[in-house]
Amino acid sequence: QKEVEQNSGPLSVPEGAIASLNCTYSDRGSQSFFWYRQYSGKSPELIMFIYSNGDKEDGRFTAQLNKASQYVSLLIRDSQPSDSATYLCAGGAPGGSQGNLIFGKGTKLSVKP
Amino acid sequence: KAGVTQTPRYLIKTRGQQVTLSCSPISGHRSVSWYQQTPGQGLQFLFEYFSETQRNKGNFPGRFSGRQFSNSRSEMNVSTLELGDSALYLCASSLEVVAGGSYEQYFGPGTRLTVT
Repeated sequence: QKEVEQNSGPLSVPEGAIASLNCTYSDRGSQSFFWYRQYSGKSPELIMFIYSNGDKEDGRFTAQLNKASQYVSLLIRDSQPSDSATYLCAGGAPGGSQGNLIFGKGTKLSVKP
Repeated sequence: KAGVTQTPRYLIKTRGQQVTLSCSPISGHRSVSWYQQTPGQGLQFLFEYFSETQRNKGNFPGRFSGRQFSNSRSEMNVSTLELGDSALYLCASSLEVVAGGSYEQYFGPGTRLTVT
């Protein structure tokens, strides 16, 4: 059974701290990885897409991918209360195609002022 | 530019009926994907269409089907509805990934389907 696992949280961090969200996956065929943010009652938003080993930075967000260890993480620097949401990790086929896309159950992040 | 639109936003159906949901992608986006979200199972991938062709399909029974039209608008159909089909159905449109690794994807507001 192909799985993507995330700690459900809640993960609580103080405002201004670094939030670290982790995700492991079982399917070695997964090549592309996505991080989504979902506010309560809203649709998911894609915040990071990564397919190469290493780090990818976009503003306050850094995604890290380690295919050998089969984990992908998301760091949020200078966390803000507006970052409080559920973060979903997903692994899929090469090239960003949604093929074989498996989602984790999400980690709930709470940023305290 | 206009976002992804989904119609209807809410729907109540009876077991055994069928339902068709519609999704209009962002202009210029040729890929449309569908997802089911429930409290128990979370977000699950249904299928992906690109240029009127189903490119990928998730692990759902054949009662779930879809199609994409030449203007990239997409529909999904669920036949013989079951109580367990009650869920939020989301569609997302995306740009084809190009060299350099950029990827753009936006979700619609979803259709809340309740099966009684």
